[in-house]
Amino acid sequence: DAKTTQPPSMDCAEGRAANLPCNHSTISGNEYVYWYRQIHSQGPQYIIHGLKNNETNEMASLIITEDRKSSTLILPHATLRDTAVYYCIVLEDSNYQLIWGAGTKLIIKP
Amino acid sequence: NAGVTQTPKFQVLKTGQSMTLQCAQDMNHEYMSWYRQDPGMGLRLIHYSVGAGITDQGEVPNGYNVSRSTTEDFPLRLLSAAPSQTSVYFCASSPDEGHQPQHFGDGTRLSIL
Repeated sequence: DAKTTQPPSMDCAEGRAANLPCNHSTISGNEYVYWYRQIHSQGPQYIIHGLKNNETNEMASLIITEDRKSSTLILPHATLRDTAVYYCIVLEDSNYQLIWGAGTKLIIKP
Repeated sequence: NAGVTQTPKFQVLKTGQSMTLQCAQDMNHEYMSWYRQDPGMGLRLIHYSVGAGITDQGEVPNGYNVSRSTTEDFPLRLLSAAPSQTSVYFCASSPDEGHQPQHFGDGTRLSIL
């Protein structure tokens, strides 16, 4: 079973920051948090990942709480093209397998 | 640089038929994997490979076979198709099995009648 919990859906206005929460209260010390997204029914697209420090790249920022039990993906200036299902995944340290949940359907509204 | 290429994009089979889903990558990645995605759900791992000649089972391997004779190719075989195997199949690759992002193909949409 997935080790993460995400809200099933969220809305965000175009041009605003989209903040997607994720709970992973049973995460182990060496397990990374990954974020992917899936637009329509295309193949998933990697966004960002992190262990304990906050991370930023050209697509998004990842904020991980100090106790590592939750994280937030931030899309700083959401566009209509960011409408997608966003998956928060804990990479299992024992076998490096991604265990996918149902994700959050993010709808960006004009 | 094509990335991960899956063929065919769509396929309809009759129950009991067999077929092979093709996956090829041109990034010299060691790790390759196959997932299936049913409507409204996340991906589930079928089989994976950490390098040529090495394969292993994932979460839902029954009814599927794989082989990895080259680094580039990782075909998925359905031995005797069943309606429960109707799904979208994704192939992915990454440089190794560790903490590396996976690159996904565009998927094969398979219907079993």
